[in-house]
Amino acid sequence: GNSVTQMEGPVTLSEEAFLTINCTYTATGYPSLFWYVQYPGEGLQLLLKATKADDKGSNKGFEATYRKETTSFHLEKGSVQVSDSAVYFCALKDSGAGSYQLTFGKGTKLSVIP
Amino acid sequence: ETGVTQSPTHLIKTRGQQVTLRCSSQSGHNTVSWYQQALGQGPQFIFQYYREEENGRGNFPPRFSGLQFPNYSSELNVNALELDDSALYLCASSLELNSPLHFGNGTRLTVT
Repeated sequence: GNSVTQMEGPVTLSEEAFLTINCTYTATGYPSLFWYVQYPGEGLQLLLKATKADDKGSNKGFEATYRKETTSFHLEKGSVQVSDSAVYFCALKDSGAGSYQLTFGKGTKLSVIP
Repeated sequence: ETGVTQSPTHLIKTRGQQVTLRCSSQSGHNTVSWYQQALGQGPQFIFQYYREEENGRGNFPPRFSGLQFPNYSSELNVNALELDDSALYLCASSLELNSPLHFGNGTRLTVT
């Protein structure tokens, strides 16, 4: 079955530091890949996505590249801000007909300190 | 544009009781999905409804059931509550089956 593995948290960084959150996946087909962010007390928000190999998703300074050869979709940001403190979830959706569910990783909590 | 709204925000129930959680989809969205997020875990897919019919189900027992109404709002019902049902329940709507999901803020259920 499908699965997503994220690096263990929590991750604590100083403001303006470089961020990488690793994500690898196992899927039977050619999935679409996503990063969601969850701020305290809120639901999930789509941060970025990529639908095929070598696609790069980007939003709000965050980037992730769909690497089929390494089955990875690592999240990066060059300079984090305190407002980026949240829990980040990597997820996939299978490409088969009738595929309707997202499979999530366990999440990585990021804390950015001034 | 109103987003996805869920009610109640918090709920405490006793083991063995039944609970109903409600979700109002974003305007124009005909698909709704429910997820269970246990503490410290990622969300787990419960089921999806499309135009009032169940369109897929995750690995949850039959005591988890749902409804979608003609206005595309939705309910999640859980019977015979167990302690392990304590979690954040997230509702997400989408314009169509394969459109991006828009999540609500969730209902925090505690079973004692």
